[in-house]
Amino acid sequence: AQSVSQHNHHVILSEAASLELGCNYSYGGTVNLFWYVQYPGQHLQLLLKYFSGDPLVKGIKGFEAEFIKSKFSFNLRKPSVQWSDTAEYFCAVTYTGGGNKLTFGTGTQLKVEL
Amino acid sequence: EAGVAQSPRYKIIEKRQSVAFWCNPISGHATLYWYQQILGQGPKLLIQFQNNGVVDDSQLPKDRFSAERLKGVDSTLKIQPAKLEDSAVYLCASSSTPTGTGSPLHFGNGTRLTVT
Repeated sequence: AQSVSQHNHHVILSEAASLELGCNYSYGGTVNLFWYVQYPGQHLQLLLKYFSGDPLVKGIKGFEAEFIKSKFSFNLRKPSVQWSDTAEYFCAVTYTGGGNKLTFGTGTQLKVEL
Repeated sequence: EAGVAQSPRYKIIEKRQSVAFWCNPISGHATLYWYQQILGQGPKLLIQFQNNGVVDDSQLPKDRFSAERLKGVDSTLKIQPAKLEDSAVYLCASSSTPTGTGSPLHFGNGTRLTVT
């Protein structure tokens, strides 16, 4: 079965540090890739998505992600994090032929300290 | 636009009891999803509706879970009888078209179910 792996379960950073969260998927065909974020007490919301074209995708709040097909990866990055970026981040994938079913990773809890 | 509405926010029941959750998607969204999120895991799709028809219920434990979307708008998810392992947050989401076509999912705040 297709799966999504997020290797960092908990990340603690100081403000202004750079962020990179890993995401790998297990499927050799065409995929659509997403990052969702859940701020404390709020609902899941879309951060960015990749469907085709430029593999470097820019999202809201200064986040970006790069699709590297050869590595089956879609890592999330931000050059300088803020305290308000404290949240849980989920990578998710839909697979061609998978009925548009969104498969989520287990999530990464990010805490940004002042 | 108004978001996805879910109720109740919290529910505590004993095992073997039944429970129902309600979801009202964003107006005009044809696709509705129910996800189960167990603590420490990512959301897992239970069932997907396109209007009032079921598109995918392959991961729905049909011996105890049921869901309906009779008029193609709001939806209910029921568990009967509940087991301890059903303790989770139940998320409802909607999109204007199925995920693979480019529409993002809009999630509700979820219902946190505790089975004792």
